[in-house]
This record gives sequence, C-alpha cells and structure tokens, in this order.
Amino acid sequence: QQPVQSPQAVILREGEDAVINCSSSKALYSVHWYRQKHGEAPVFLMILLKGGEQKGHEKISASFNEKKQQSSLYLTASQLSYSGTYFCGTGGGSQGNLIFGKGTKLSVKP
Amino acid sequence: NAGVMQNPRHLVRRRGQEARLRCSPMKGHSHVYWYRQLPEEGLKFMVYLQKENIIDESGMPKERFSAEFPKEGPSILRIQQVVRGDSAAYFCASSSGTSDYNEQFFGPGTRLTVL
Repeated sequence: QQPVQSPQAVILREGEDAVINCSSSKALYSVHWYRQKHGEAPVFLMILLKGGEQKGHEKISASFNEKKQQSSLYLTASQLSYSGTYFCGTGGGSQGNLIFGKGTKLSVKP
Repeated sequence: NAGVMQNPRHLVRRRGQEARLRCSPMKGHSHVYWYRQLPEEGLKFMVYLQKENIIDESGMPKERFSAEFPKEGPSILRIQQVVRGDSAAYFCASSSGTSDYNEQFFGPGTRLTVL
C-alpha cells in the first residue's frame, strides 16, 4: 500500500522549521526520504531502519515510530535550497522496490 | 565516481513506435529499479532487476513493456507500440544490495513524449 504523506504542501519563510509526515497501514522495515526539484532526479536524503538506525543528511533529521508505522522528516532553519517535493518511500525488506507517497511540496520564500 | 547514467535524456516517439531507455548503474551496483513518474505525481515502481534476472516486475504493465539487465551492458526498458499515455519521466535507480540500508540512487531520468 502507498504510504500517506502530510501535509500535501507547505510554504515557509527562510529560517522557519517544517515537519513532513509519512504513515503506512503496513508494517515498515525501512523508510527512505528523497527530495526532488522540478525537472530533476530524486536525491537521497535519509534512510531509517526498523530498530532505530538511520543514515543520511547532516542538516536534516528524521524519526521512525515502528508502533505507529510512521516516519517524520524534520527540516530546521530552512534555506531556499530546501524547496522541492519530498517523497517518502517504504520498503518491505532489506532489498527490493520502494513504494513512494504522493509527495509534499515545500516552498521556501526569502 | 560516476553516478547512475540514463540515456537518452529526452525521447520523442510517434504512436506505434518503440522506445528504448537505457540505464547504467553506479559502479559496484548490481541492482537496478525502474520507476515511472507522471507530471505532478509520485514515483511508481515498475520493475526490479539484478544481472540477468528479473526479481520483481509486479509494477510493469503486462503488455508492450519489457526490461532486461544483461551480464554486460546497461539495463534496458523497452516499450513497444507506444501510446500517448506512456508519456512520462522514467527513472532508473541502483543499489549495491549488500547493505541493510540499501540506499537507492536515481539517475537523471528519460523524459518520453509520445506524439
């Protein structure tokens, strides 16, 4: 099943914080976060594994609540370069395809 | 250290023609995934391949679409007798498959336009 992302869109001023949520009705093994700018490829940001391990971006953090089957991406002190669409992808195991949410469009204004 | 490479970047085909999309994974990666993205939408999984094997093709339409990843050379996604609805961006991603993290890294995509 496709994970559900919220909010669908958010507008921020530079320096403000944002939280993007990703929830699934299915048990999660891992959650992968990507950012895509218009017309470009998705760029890997962060991966979180069941059990709490995470690996990714220095300036972006995330949490993974296994019981709630939910992950949240925290963007602090946003910069103009943070603008783009954020996708979470859920995987059923250590290998295999990702099922992506519909995305959250983030716009950071000066 | 080259990333995932895809070509062509843009492809225009007339209805009924064939489209061939190529993907060369990152060096050291042996797992390839193909995704399709329609405008303003998310990425939809199509097929997952390892060298000479199709692991999961559950997201690929049964007709007109095929994929391969030969022992030598790039992975190829083939669309026969294209229709207007095939117009989309097709992304390929690769992973090493040797890590529990299994990060997937995406190529720049091929934007297919069917006239």
